[in-house]
Amino acid sequence: GENVEQHPSTLSVQEGDSAVIKCTYSDSASNYFPWYKQELGKRPQLIIDIRSNVGEKKDQRIAVTLNKTAKHFSLHITETQPEDSAVYFCAATSYGNNRLAFGKGNQVVVIP
Amino acid sequence: DAGVIQSPRHEVTEMGQEVTLRCKPISGHNSLFWYRQTMMRGLELLIYFNNNVPIDDSGMPEDRFSAKMPNASFSTLKIQPSEPRDSAVYFCASSSGQMGSPLHFGNGTRLTVT
Repeated sequence: GENVEQHPSTLSVQEGDSAVIKCTYSDSASNYFPWYKQELGKRPQLIIDIRSNVGEKKDQRIAVTLNKTAKHFSLHITETQPEDSAVYFCAATSYGNNRLAFGKGNQVVVIP
Repeated sequence: DAGVIQSPRHEVTEMGQEVTLRCKPISGHNSLFWYRQTMMRGLELLIYFNNNVPIDDSGMPEDRFSAKMPNASFSTLKIQPSEPRDSAVYFCASSSGQMGSPLHFGNGTRLTVT
């Protein structure tokens, strides 16, 4: 099955700086890659996703890039703010397969 | 829409007792998932249903765990007998089941087995 890994496990950034989280996946058939944000004590919530027919997608301060050849995708957060502090999970799946494989999560800490 | 509704929010029980977690998916969603979250193992998929039918239960830890979905608006996850290592947050999630459709998570049930 699909195996998703995230790096680094913890990331601390100064407020206003950028944060980048990278995920690698193992199944070349995977073609849907969502990112979820989980604040302390709350549920994971979808923040952005990308499909394999595009290489980059942006939504205000967040963006995701995908490199299918290398089988990795990254989450970019610009102009970080304290409310960006959370655990971020990447996931991967293939169309026609409902089973999302999640990474173990990255703790992002934005230092005011 | 009220989103995915889970109950109870917190459950504290003694080892050996039966535990039943409940979930109501978003109306119209035909895929339902049960996840377990721990610090050590992250988010683990236990089982998922399509149109009330269990599709993949390979993530269910052992026979002590069972899940049912008697209709499109209700699912249960049961642990019998419970053990301390079952302590975790259990999330239910639903999706429309269409290709690449996002998962919507409930608020989770925090289970503590003493």
